[in-house]
Amino acid sequence: GAGVSQSPSNKVTEKGKDVELRCDPISGHTALYWYRQSLGQGLEFLIYFQGNSAPDKSGLPSDRFSAERTGGSVSTLTIQRTQQEDSAVYLCASSRGNAEAFFGQGTRLTVV
Amino acid sequence: GEDVEQSLFLSVREGDSSVINCTYTDSSSTYLYWYKQEPGAGLQLLTYIFSNMDMKQDQRLTVLLNKKDKHLSLRIADTQTGDSAIYFCAERLYGNNRLAFGKGNQVVVIP
Repeated sequence: GAGVSQSPSNKVTEKGKDVELRCDPISGHTALYWYRQSLGQGLEFLIYFQGNSAPDKSGLPSDRFSAERTGGSVSTLTIQRTQQEDSAVYLCASSRGNAEAFFGQGTRLTVV
Repeated sequence: GEDVEQSLFLSVREGDSSVINCTYTDSSSTYLYWYKQEPGAGLQLLTYIFSNMDMKQDQRLTVLLNKKDKHLSLRIADTQTGDSAIYFCAERLYGNNRLAFGKGNQVVVIP
């Protein structure tokens, strides 16, 4: 596609439920990032995939968070047993190697 | 470390120049970026500078990099109301290539 696509754009879920957020990167981009942006805050790094290398998971806030990237393309961020503090906008970005990263529009997650 | 610091708020009159500042701590960063985020939108890449440069100009945007002080600035000339947004600086960390972002600087353009 022309840009990074994220789905859903909005998600409301009940506390304790699991959610999956999807990211379709720009075709040919080898690097994929997930960030979280809480209200009025900057971007919190979550996880980074680069080609076939082991992902950098150092930003995942707890073991309830996991992400995978299948076939070097689409990525899914999964949050298990959601908590209210997980409410945020989840942003995905992709880049071609070391080049500039392009962001999707984000998924706004609200845990009620 | 990878802390990126930005001041929080700037108001500027339409037509004036605005300058947004950022400091970073990783002296080995390879690229530094400026992103713009309008309300309810994702981040839009505005411009970037390679670490061996000290200035880059792109239309109304001028990026200055002082590697000695680890200071990055973005100057917007002839600021327009459409420039009202949050501006994030980011550094690409050497080694793991991760992007570290500052907390953002909200710019409000007053007509």
